[in-house]
Amino acid sequence: QKEVEQDPGPLSVPEGAIVSLNCTYSNSAFQYFMWYRQYSRKGPELLMYTYSSGNKEDGRFTAQVDKSSKYISLFIRDSQPSDSATYLCAMTRSNFGNEKLTFGTGTRLTIIP
Amino acid sequence: ETGVTQSPTHLIKTRGQQVTLRCSSQSGHNTVSWYQQALGQGPQFIFQYYREEENGRGNFPPRFSGLQFPNYSSELNVNALELDDSALYLCASSLVSSGRSTGELFFGEGSRLTVL
Repeated sequence: QKEVEQDPGPLSVPEGAIVSLNCTYSNSAFQYFMWYRQYSRKGPELLMYTYSSGNKEDGRFTAQVDKSSKYISLFIRDSQPSDSATYLCAMTRSNFGNEKLTFGTGTRLTIIP
Repeated sequence: ETGVTQSPTHLIKTRGQQVTLRCSSQSGHNTVSWYQQALGQGPQFIFQYYREEENGRGNFPPRFSGLQFPNYSSELNVNALELDDSALYLCASSLVSSGRSTGELFFGEGSRLTVL
């Protein structure tokens, strides 16, 4: 069993819709949670960074963490064609400098104009 | 502010050959991590360099090795290439201060390696 599970999609939604992306994880030691966006043939770009349980909002993006359920989500409001990309969740146990990121497989999202 | 740059962007090698990939970290960052991303998969941690020493390693064999230079740039070397080494190799830089990371890892655009 992988430490981090993420539905690979693909997921297609019409422009303007609310998008929900999710990951589950098995290691209760994870405390820091990130969402990255990766355009085709590009490196991942950090979208959201959160610590422990709770919500964090940044513009059209909202990240939610439920540590009791080992479940994290990213919501995209008013989705745009430019949001079409692969979205990767990632997490670490601590913010020690030598911590590695453990990634999900990524969900491929297409926003249909 | 200069971002993370990697070279080469694409390369093709044959089994058994050796490859060196290069990375320049973002200005102000002192730590470099390398990740391997196979097609359709998330990145997998290879290793991290801090103060010119390996500072953590993932589940990769010793034929994957690296260096970090005084200017914080880094190299990833892979010996005895295998077909399964075909992947996107990502370099990421971050700032570590007093043993703690600021939490933001900035990735380059990667080097796409094909092994035939």
